[in-house]
Amino acid sequence: GQQVMQIPQYQHVQEGEDFTTYCNSSTTLSNIQWYKQRPGGHPVFLIQLVKSGEVKKQKRLTFQFGEAKKNSSLHITATQTTDVGTYFCAVPSGSARQLTFGSGTQLTVLP
Amino acid sequence: NAGVTQTPKFRILKIGQSMTLQCTQDMNHNYMYWYRQDPGMGLKLIYYSVGAGITDKGEVPNGYNVSRSTTEDFPLRLELAAPSQTSVYFCASSSRGRFEVVEKLFFGSGTQLSVL
Repeated sequence: GQQVMQIPQYQHVQEGEDFTTYCNSSTTLSNIQWYKQRPGGHPVFLIQLVKSGEVKKQKRLTFQFGEAKKNSSLHITATQTTDVGTYFCAVPSGSARQLTFGSGTQLTVLP
Repeated sequence: NAGVTQTPKFRILKIGQSMTLQCTQDMNHNYMYWYRQDPGMGLKLIYYSVGAGITDKGEVPNGYNVSRSTTEDFPLRLELAAPSQTSVYFCASSSRGRFEVVEKLFFGSGTQLSVL
């Protein structure tokens, strides 16, 4: 099935520093989704990217989809303690009716 | 809106016991999913359904069964519970997108299951 590599696995930053997580696929993706899971919570949808080279912003979060549609990144500018959690990318797999999740990047923000 | 509702929130089972995790959604979504998440790990797909009466295996289906008799409900059955099934279980649903591709997932709050 479809697999996607996500790095880094963990990231500790000082509050105010930037943060980036990356997802890489060996095959071309039709789209990619990003989710955030707060500690003890459930994953919550953040965004979906569909077009080659697409860039979308949500306040301090910037999402990019690579030109070849094989990689994506999530960048957070000036992290805050509210950004703490695990960020997952997810890609369609199988018949495209399933979503396969990356292993996640666990973000810790030190005050 | 309730969204996706899972019950129970917590459960402790003894080895060999059986139980059913309940999941219901009120968004009229065609697609429903069961994932498990081991501590500090990602989400693994157990089973999914693209509509009432249709179910299919995901990545880790062994030891589980599902049914989908209605659009709203998608229960997950554990037969003969084993310690390896200790995990957090998430149910999720999605609408059917263009070309039947899965859209964004709405997750329930999860069931924390311990098998001792």
